[in-house]
Amino acid sequence: IAGITQAPTSQILAAGRRMTLRCTQDMRHNAMYWYRQDLGLGLRLIHYSNTAGTTGKGEVPDGYSVSRANTDDFPLTLASAVPSQTSVYFCASSAGATAFYNEQFFGPGTRLTVL
Amino acid sequence: AQSVSQHNHHVILSEAASLELGCNYSYGGTVNLFWYVQYPGQHLQLLLKYFSGDPLVKGIKGFEAEFIKSKFSFNLRKPSVQWSDTAEYFCAVNGKAAGNKLTFGGGTRVLVKP
Repeated sequence: IAGITQAPTSQILAAGRRMTLRCTQDMRHNAMYWYRQDLGLGLRLIHYSNTAGTTGKGEVPDGYSVSRANTDDFPLTLASAVPSQTSVYFCASSAGATAFYNEQFFGPGTRLTVL
Repeated sequence: AQSVSQHNHHVILSEAASLELGCNYSYGGTVNLFWYVQYPGQHLQLLLKYFSGDPLVKGIKGFEAEFIKSKFSFNLRKPSVQWSDTAEYFCAVNGKAAGNKLTFGGGTRVLVKP
């Protein structure tokens, strides 16, 4: 069982370009999340999805969009990348839709550099 | 809104020393609390979690944490660290009204010298 896979592992991107970060989980978890990790700031929630077909905004959603067409996949799109989006991006999932009593499991991350 | 504060950004200690990392959260209602660890080059892994019951929680690799509700704290401890404990440690809170959204602290980088 792979758990959560993310692609690409790393990417260097020119400002203004569009980029989609992929996330796939094989645990049949209902809820999925995208975080960005920046030094000294910990992880901050970008977007989340409680179940397939629904999404919600997290703490830092501006400049990002997500979709949840099925249970397994939760892609994150940067429509027009800016240097401040240089970060490490982590996808996570948890079993329950409300997930208050469920822990989150994390993917290996995508290191994105926007020049 | 919920928030988490980790007091130490960097900790350096020698093997066999004791470790305590502070974590305070801000949230007035029922909370779940977590400590995650990120070893160099790896993704986050759960060390331990508190949902309810005994406020002293034991996790993997000899770590434990104590939930003190009156102090809004969830400090992480390990009596004797090893070089392999070198990592970044994150405290996180999930307030019941916030549903499934975790709020993380800024992280503490721990370096254990052999």
